[in-house]
Amino acid sequence: GQNIDQPTEMTATEGAIVQINCTYQTSGFNGLFWYQQHAGEAPTFLSYNVLDGLEEKGRFSSFLSRSKGYSYLLLKELQMKDSASYLCAVRALPYSSASKIIFGSGTRLSIRP
Amino acid sequence: GAVVSQHPSRVICKSGTSVKIECRSLDFQATTMFWYRQFPKQSLMLMATSNEGSKATYEQGVEKDKFLINHASLTLSTLTVTSAHPEDSSFYICSASPDRGETQYFGPGTRLLVL
Repeated sequence: GQNIDQPTEMTATEGAIVQINCTYQTSGFNGLFWYQQHAGEAPTFLSYNVLDGLEEKGRFSSFLSRSKGYSYLLLKELQMKDSASYLCAVRALPYSSASKIIFGSGTRLSIRP
Repeated sequence: GAVVSQHPSRVICKSGTSVKIECRSLDFQATTMFWYRQFPKQSLMLMATSNEGSKATYEQGVEKDKFLINHASLTLSTLTVTSAHPEDSSFYICSASPDRGETQYFGPGTRLLVL
């Protein structure tokens, strides 16, 4: 089966750091994505990991451990505009006519002043 | 950057009518397009995958006769919700890929409300 787990909600303080965890069990693995989604809008791409390790991109970093089926998204210097849902998504095999991306249920992050 | 548009952005219709949603890739050719549905406070659920010129592949539990998908050109895919019912009210999002899905660009979504 396919299963992606992430916390439902998190709260953090403006200026602080927050880590959003994601664990997955899928029939195959071909990359993990993190997306940001503001209420009523479509997701926007944040990061993509296919190899183990940390990928840093400005205030956002994403980590992947394939052996553990684990990833996290790290947000630094939090701003109020970072209040959004963060979706962990895995591209799973089998690879038929197209790569299918499976989304987790999302983590709703609230930033308080 | 790659831009994907959806039309309409919001639609309200009566129960029993059909609604067509368009998804366009504006500055690239989309070999593959994906249709997702998102209910309130839930994540995106893939409904179907469409490749230009061929039949769409539907996910388990998605009725292909109710959700008609047409991918007639490399820049346009349409989703028609036939005989819509209130339970079909949802946020429908498409994504377009210039390859077979390695890269996906999301449209802004269409909010459907069926009365």
